[in-house]
Amino acid sequence: AQKVTQAQTEISVVEKEDVTLDCVYETRDTTYYLFWYKQPPSGELVFLIRRNSFDEQNEISGRYSWNFQKSTSSFNFTITASQVVDSAVYFCALSDSPGTYKYIFGTGTRLKVLA
Amino acid sequence: KAGVTQTPRYLIKTRGQQVTLSCSPISGHRSVSWYQQTPGQGLQFLFEYFSETQRNKGNFPGRFSGRQFSNSRSEMNVSTLELGDSALYLCASSLTNEQFFGPGTRLTVL
Repeated sequence: AQKVTQAQTEISVVEKEDVTLDCVYETRDTTYYLFWYKQPPSGELVFLIRRNSFDEQNEISGRYSWNFQKSTSSFNFTITASQVVDSAVYFCALSDSPGTYKYIFGTGTRLKVLA
Repeated sequence: KAGVTQTPRYLIKTRGQQVTLSCSPISGHRSVSWYQQTPGQGLQFLFEYFSETQRNKGNFPGRFSGRQFSNSRSEMNVSTLELGDSALYLCASSLTNEQFFGPGTRLTVL
């Protein structure tokens, strides 16, 4: 069965601290996609990154970086030098239905960055 | 390029009524998906449409239905509303493998 687990319900950090959001997934398929989305208080889900199951390269985009490890079925997200504007709920999602865009979302991690 | 738009943004209905929500995808996107977000159940997939055909469906009762028009715009309908249908309904459109979400329609059922 497909499942995405975000064990951290809420994390609070002080501005400029680094923070890592964990994501563990389950799927029987060998071809799948993983995603991270940010949901600020306005409610709209903002796309951050997509990674396919055949690409285990880590990625860095500015202060954001992602670590994909198939051996542990994890796709963790690190924010370096966090800022107050990073405060939001972050969702990890899995898509493994070929030919469709059905996503399985984790329960989200609420990140609070304090000034 | 305009993003995904959803109307209305807020709705208040009473139990037993029905409601129709609308979604306009990003220009050129042919796939539209709908999700329900509640504090208790999180983000759950409702259904996906592609070229006017329902391609996938989540585990929701038949009171939830949708359709897609030839211009890719989509509507979802909920009949016989229940208190538990109060939620943020999110629409997403896709061209390749990532979905882009609209701002959502917040439905409150009294």
